[in-house]
Amino acid sequence: DTGVSQNPRHKITKRGQNVTFRCDPISEHNRLYWYRQTLGQGPEFLTYFQNEAQLEKSRLLSDRFSAERPKGSFSTLEIQRTEQGDSAMYLCASSRPRGDQYFGAGTRLSVL
Amino acid sequence: RKEVEQDPGPFNVPEGATVAFNCTYSNSASQSFFWYRQDCRKEPKLLMSVYSSGNEDGRFTAQLNRASQYISLLIRDSKLSDSATYLCVPYDGQNFVFGPGTRLSVLP
Repeated sequence: DTGVSQNPRHKITKRGQNVTFRCDPISEHNRLYWYRQTLGQGPEFLTYFQNEAQLEKSRLLSDRFSAERPKGSFSTLEIQRTEQGDSAMYLCASSRPRGDQYFGAGTRLSVL
Repeated sequence: RKEVEQDPGPFNVPEGATVAFNCTYSNSASQSFFWYRQDCRKEPKLLMSVYSSGNEDGRFTAQLNRASQYISLLIRDSKLSDSATYLCVPYDGQNFVFGPGTRLSVLP
Protein backbone atom coordinates (compact mmCIF):
# COMPACT_ATOMS: atom_id res chain seq x y z
CA ASP A 1 0.00 0.00 0.00
CA THR A 2 1.64 3.23 -1.10
CA GLY A 3 -0.97 5.61 0.29
CA VAL A 4 -0.83 7.80 3.39
CA SER A 5 -0.70 5.69 6.53
CA GLN A 6 -1.76 6.79 10.00
CA ASN A 7 -1.34 5.02 13.32
CA PRO A 8 -3.08 4.24 15.52
CA ARG A 9 -6.52 4.20 13.90
CA HIS A 10 -8.24 4.70 17.23
CA LYS A 11 -6.98 6.02 20.55
CA ILE A 12 -8.92 6.19 23.79
CA THR A 13 -7.26 8.06 26.61
CA LYS A 14 -8.08 9.63 29.93
CA ARG A 15 -8.13 13.37 30.36
CA GLY A 16 -4.69 14.70 31.26
CA GLN A 17 -2.72 11.99 29.47
CA ASN A 18 -0.37 12.62 26.56
CA VAL A 19 -0.97 11.00 23.17
CA THR A 20 1.13 10.76 20.02
CA PHE A 21 -0.03 9.99 16.50
CA ARG A 22 2.10 9.01 13.53
CA CYS A 23 1.68 9.73 9.84
CA ASP A 24 3.65 8.17 6.99
CA PRO A 25 3.07 10.17 3.80
CA ILE A 26 3.30 9.01 0.21
CA SER A 27 7.03 8.64 -0.29
CA GLU A 28 7.57 11.17 -3.08
CA HIS A 29 5.42 13.85 -1.43
CA ASN A 30 7.40 16.56 0.34
CA ARG A 31 4.40 18.35 1.84
CA LEU A 32 2.60 16.94 4.85
CA TYR A 33 -0.49 18.38 6.52
CA TRP A 34 -2.33 17.75 9.78
CA TYR A 35 -6.04 18.47 10.17
CA ARG A 36 -8.64 17.97 12.86
CA GLN A 37 -12.23 17.11 12.05
CA THR A 38 -15.26 16.97 14.31
CA LEU A 39 -18.68 15.61 13.44
CA GLY A 40 -20.55 17.65 10.86
CA GLN A 41 -17.60 19.90 10.06
CA GLY A 42 -15.00 19.94 7.34
CA PRO A 43 -11.37 19.27 8.25
CA GLU A 44 -9.71 22.18 10.06
CA PHE A 45 -6.09 22.94 9.22
CA LEU A 46 -3.61 22.50 12.08
CA THR A 47 -0.13 22.65 10.57
CA TYR A 48 1.95 21.73 7.56
CA PHE A 49 5.51 20.77 6.69
CA GLN A 50 7.54 21.11 3.58
CA ASN A 51 10.21 18.47 3.98
CA GLU A 52 11.32 18.79 7.62
CA ALA A 53 10.40 22.47 7.96
CA GLN A 54 7.16 23.36 9.73
CA LEU A 55 5.97 26.28 7.64
CA GLU A 56 2.67 27.20 9.20
CA LYS A 57 0.67 26.55 12.34
CA SER A 58 -2.98 27.36 12.89
CA ARG A 59 -4.15 29.40 15.85
CA LEU A 60 -6.12 26.25 16.69
CA LEU A 61 -2.84 24.59 17.61
CA SER A 62 -2.45 25.45 21.29
CA ASP A 63 0.76 25.04 23.28
CA ARG A 64 -0.35 21.52 24.17
CA PHE A 65 -0.01 20.46 20.54
CA SER A 66 3.32 19.85 18.86
CA ALA A 67 4.18 18.31 15.51
CA GLU A 68 7.49 17.14 14.13
CA ARG A 69 8.83 15.78 10.90
CA PRO A 70 12.48 15.25 11.80
CA LYS A 71 13.79 13.65 8.61
CA GLY A 72 11.26 14.99 6.18
CA SER A 73 9.52 11.64 5.95
CA PHE A 74 7.06 10.53 8.66
CA SER A 75 5.52 13.01 11.08
CA THR A 76 4.23 12.83 14.63
CA LEU A 77 1.54 14.91 16.31
CA GLU A 78 1.62 15.00 20.09
CA ILE A 79 -1.10 16.31 22.36
CA GLN A 80 -0.11 16.90 25.96
CA ARG A 81 -2.52 16.98 28.90
CA THR A 82 -5.45 15.97 26.73
CA GLU A 83 -8.85 17.56 27.30
CA GLN A 84 -12.28 16.28 26.36
CA GLY A 85 -12.49 18.97 23.69
CA ASP A 86 -9.54 17.33 21.91
CA SER A 87 -11.77 14.40 20.96
CA ALA A 88 -11.87 14.41 17.17
CA MET A 89 -10.57 12.71 14.06
CA TYR A 90 -6.98 13.72 13.31
CA LEU A 91 -6.24 13.51 9.62
CA CYS A 92 -2.91 13.60 7.86
CA ALA A 93 -2.49 14.38 4.18
CA SER A 94 0.44 14.68 1.82
CA SER A 95 1.07 16.27 -1.54
CA ARG A 96 3.70 17.47 -3.95
CA PRO A 97 4.03 21.26 -4.14
CA ARG A 98 0.91 22.54 -5.93
CA GLY A 99 -0.21 18.98 -6.30
CA ASP A 100 -3.28 17.05 -5.32
CA GLN A 101 -3.56 16.23 -1.65
CA TYR A 102 -4.18 12.67 -0.44
CA PHE A 103 -5.46 11.74 2.99
CA GLY A 104 -4.77 8.95 5.40
CA ALA A 105 -7.63 7.14 7.11
CA GLY A 106 -7.17 9.25 10.23
CA THR A 107 -6.73 8.63 13.94
CA ARG A 108 -9.91 8.89 15.97
CA LEU A 109 -9.16 10.23 19.44
CA SER A 110 -11.59 9.84 22.32
CA VAL A 111 -10.71 11.61 25.58
CA LEU A 112 -12.70 10.30 28.53
CA ARG B 1 -17.55 35.92 6.82
CA LYS B 2 -16.28 32.33 6.79
CA GLU B 3 -13.45 31.54 4.40
CA VAL B 4 -15.44 28.91 2.55
CA GLU B 5 -19.21 28.64 2.51
CA GLN B 6 -21.26 25.84 1.02
CA ASP B 7 -24.94 25.04 0.59
CA PRO B 8 -26.11 23.74 3.95
CA GLY B 9 -27.90 20.63 2.66
CA PRO B 10 -28.75 17.86 3.11
CA PHE B 11 -29.81 17.29 -0.47
CA ASN B 12 -32.14 14.30 -0.85
CA VAL B 13 -32.56 13.42 -4.52
CA PRO B 14 -33.90 10.40 -6.43
CA GLU B 15 -31.60 8.20 -8.47
CA GLY B 16 -30.99 9.66 -11.91
CA ALA B 17 -31.51 13.26 -10.81
CA THR B 18 -29.14 16.11 -11.54
CA VAL B 19 -27.93 18.01 -8.50
CA ALA B 20 -25.73 21.08 -8.14
CA PHE B 21 -23.73 22.32 -5.17
CA ASN B 22 -22.47 25.85 -4.71
CA CYS B 23 -19.42 27.12 -2.90
CA THR B 24 -18.10 30.62 -2.28
CA TYR B 25 -14.66 31.53 -0.97
CA SER B 26 -13.27 34.74 0.49
CA ASN B 27 -9.53 34.47 -0.22
CA SER B 28 -8.90 36.09 -3.58
CA ALA B 29 -5.36 34.65 -3.52
CA SER B 30 -6.76 31.15 -3.99
CA GLN B 31 -5.04 29.64 -6.98
CA SER B 32 -6.67 26.31 -7.51
CA PHE B 33 -9.70 24.50 -6.27
CA PHE B 34 -10.72 21.00 -5.41
CA TRP B 35 -13.83 19.02 -4.69
CA TYR B 36 -13.48 16.15 -2.24
CA ARG B 37 -16.09 13.60 -1.28
CA GLN B 38 -16.19 12.14 2.19
CA ASP B 39 -18.16 9.08 3.18
CA CYS B 40 -19.41 8.76 6.74
CA ARG B 41 -16.52 8.14 9.16
CA LYS B 42 -14.00 7.91 6.31
CA GLU B 43 -11.24 10.23 5.10
CA PRO B 44 -11.87 12.80 2.35
CA LYS B 45 -11.06 11.55 -1.14
CA LEU B 46 -10.20 13.78 -4.07
CA LEU B 47 -13.03 13.95 -6.58
CA MET B 48 -11.96 16.70 -8.96
CA SER B 49 -9.34 19.39 -9.34
CA VAL B 50 -10.42 22.70 -10.89
CA TYR B 51 -7.55 24.71 -12.38
CA SER B 52 -9.15 26.98 -14.95
CA SER B 53 -12.74 27.97 -15.59
CA GLY B 54 -13.89 24.44 -15.01
CA ASN B 55 -13.66 20.86 -16.13
CA GLU B 56 -15.75 17.77 -16.66
CA ASP B 57 -15.12 14.19 -15.60
CA GLY B 58 -17.85 11.79 -16.62
CA ARG B 59 -21.03 12.68 -14.74
CA PHE B 60 -19.28 15.40 -12.75
CA THR B 61 -18.76 18.98 -13.91
CA ALA B 62 -17.01 21.65 -11.88
CA GLN B 63 -17.18 25.34 -12.78
CA LEU B 64 -15.14 28.22 -11.43
CA ASN B 65 -15.93 31.93 -11.52
CA ARG B 66 -12.91 33.76 -10.13
CA ALA B 67 -14.53 37.18 -10.41
CA SER B 68 -17.41 36.08 -8.19
CA GLN B 69 -15.22 33.76 -6.11
CA TYR B 70 -17.68 30.97 -6.73
CA ILE B 71 -17.29 27.29 -7.54
CA SER B 72 -19.97 24.77 -8.39
CA LEU B 73 -20.19 21.02 -8.74
CA LEU B 74 -22.84 19.42 -10.93
CA ILE B 75 -23.63 15.72 -10.71
CA ARG B 76 -25.71 14.24 -13.51
CA ASP B 77 -27.58 10.92 -13.47
CA SER B 78 -26.90 10.54 -9.76
CA LYS B 79 -26.25 7.06 -8.38
CA LEU B 80 -26.88 5.62 -4.94
CA SER B 81 -23.10 5.45 -4.53
CA ASP B 82 -22.87 9.25 -4.90
CA SER B 83 -24.34 9.61 -1.40
CA ALA B 84 -21.63 11.36 0.60
CA THR B 85 -20.58 14.77 1.87
CA TYR B 86 -18.98 17.00 -0.77
CA LEU B 87 -16.25 19.37 0.42
CA CYS B 88 -15.19 22.47 -1.47
CA VAL B 89 -11.48 23.27 -1.04
CA PRO B 90 -9.70 26.39 -2.30
CA TYR B 91 -5.89 26.31 -2.25
CA ASP B 92 -3.78 29.48 -1.93
CA GLY B 93 -0.42 27.90 -2.71
CA GLN B 94 0.22 26.88 0.87
CA ASN B 95 -2.99 25.98 2.60
CA PHE B 96 -6.00 23.92 1.64
CA VAL B 97 -9.09 25.44 3.29
CA PHE B 98 -11.98 23.05 3.62
CA GLY B 99 -15.58 24.12 3.51
CA PRO B 100 -18.09 22.59 5.94
CA GLY B 101 -19.40 20.26 3.25
CA THR B 102 -22.78 19.57 1.70
CA ARG B 103 -24.40 16.22 2.39
CA LEU B 104 -26.03 14.39 -0.50
CA SER B 105 -28.37 11.43 -0.15
CA VAL B 106 -29.42 9.71 -3.36
CA LEU B 107 -32.60 7.76 -2.77
CA PRO B 108 -33.77 4.65 -4.66
